Amino acid sequence: DAGVTQSPTHLIKTRGQQVTLRCSPKSGHDTVSWYQQALGQGPQFIFQYYEEEERQRGNFPDRFSGHQFPNYSSELNVNALLLGDSALYLCASSSDRADTQYFGPGTRLTVL
Amino acid sequence: AQSVTQPDIHITVSEGASLELRCNYSYGATPYLFWYVQSPGQGLQLLLKYFSGDTLVQGIKGFEAEFKRSQSSFNLRKPSVHWSDAAEYFCAVGRYSGGGADGLTFGKGTHLIIQP
Repeated sequence: DAGVTQSPTHLIKTRGQQVTLRCSPKSGHDTVSWYQQALGQGPQFIFQYYEEEERQRGNFPDRFSGHQFPNYSSELNVNALLLGDSALYLCASSSDRADTQYFGPGTRLTVL
Repeated sequence: AQSVTQPDIHITVSEGASLELRCNYSYGATPYLFWYVQSPGQGLQLLLKYFSGDTLVQGIKGFEAEFKRSQSSFNLRKPSVHWSDAAEYFCAVGRYSGGGADGLTFGKGTHLIIQP
């Protein structure tokens, strides 16, 4: 049973560019959440998708947007990249009405 | 707004010794509480969780945690650590809504170092 998968593993971009990160949830899960983890910090909640809609959002600017597809996979898009966007981006999946999120290995984004 | 405080940034423990990692939370409603572990370059692995019931919960890898409502704490313990326990440990709080897992609020983490 495959767990949560994310792609790519690493990514290098320059300031002002746009980036798309991808996540496939654990089998049987229909809810996807995204987190940003800066170096030396705990993860911070960006947003959560359920039934192809953003259900909950953390304190992140509109430059951060997402999408969920009918197969429950999800994308995180970040526009107008800033140096401060450099971080590990974690995807977590869960089953609606379940209390536990399972995390993927993350995508390491470096903005130069 | 909810918050999680992990007072210890780094903890060094000798192999075979006992371990306690502290976590204090601030939350207005009935919280879900979690402990996750992160090895270098890896994602987060769930160690244990608490929602209700017995305040002492058992997790994987021999870890346990005790929920103390009066102290707003959820400390993680292990009676005897192994070198493989060296990692970053995160405490997190979430909202119980009955409708699924909401976005979690994490502490800044405690880096555990194991001395031989």
